[in-house]
Amino acid sequence: SYVLTQPPSVSVAPGQTARITCGGNNIGSKSVHWYQQKPGQAPVLVVYDDSDRPSGIPERFSGSNSGNTATLTISRVEAGDEADYYCQVWDSSSAVVFGGGTKLTVL
Amino acid sequence: QVQLQESGPGLVKPSQTLSLTCTVSGGSISSGSYYWSWIRQPAGKGLEWIGRIYTSGSTNYNPSLKSRVTISVDTSKNQFSLKLSSVTAADTAVYYCARAQSRTGQNYYMDVWGKGTTVTVSS
Repeated sequence: SYVLTQPPSVSVAPGQTARITCGGNNIGSKSVHWYQQKPGQAPVLVVYDDSDRPSGIPERFSGSNSGNTATLTISRVEAGDEADYYCQVWDSSSAVVFGGGTKLTVL
Repeated sequence: QVQLQESGPGLVKPSQTLSLTCTVSGGSISSGSYYWSWIRQPAGKGLEWIGRIYTSGSTNYNPSLKSRVTISVDTSKNQFSLKLSSVTAADTAVYYCARAQSRTGQNYYMDVWGKGTTVTVSS
């Protein structure tokens, strides 16, 4: 089965840039989607198809995907960005696969 | 704007069948090329995809749960449902329903989620 690997935690100061990685075998050949989940709330889609943003998601959220690593980048981080972030792909053998999640802490 | 709402018992006994329903409002479950999905999340842990259904009735399931899962759709009620059999304490989780779509017909993402419902498996 296909496995997505995320760092358990990332910390960043307000106003700085946060980068959350998602590793997978040849993930660059897949489309990667990212979700933000705040405590007690349902996940929210923040990036789909590697780098597109749904309406209502700030331009500060961007994504890239190449080789064995996909990255969610959050520019000018705000306190309200503190949350868990999950990457997700579709794999022909495993169907929908989520990464283990990364807790973003705003210092 | 489409909204999803999960409903069902919050407590299920071990070895019994967990049954949940997701009601779709603000749009028809049959319109568009969407898959309707179930995802769960044990307390303090990550997301686990359970499975999905198309309005034609076509389904895909997580291989690790496939033997115990059935997802069905009732277009007349604008609902889809989850049944998980032979539950144990390990099935205790928040269960979410979600709409999945794709621009390519292959790489689906969940763009609308319900708020989730907590199901506890305990005697």
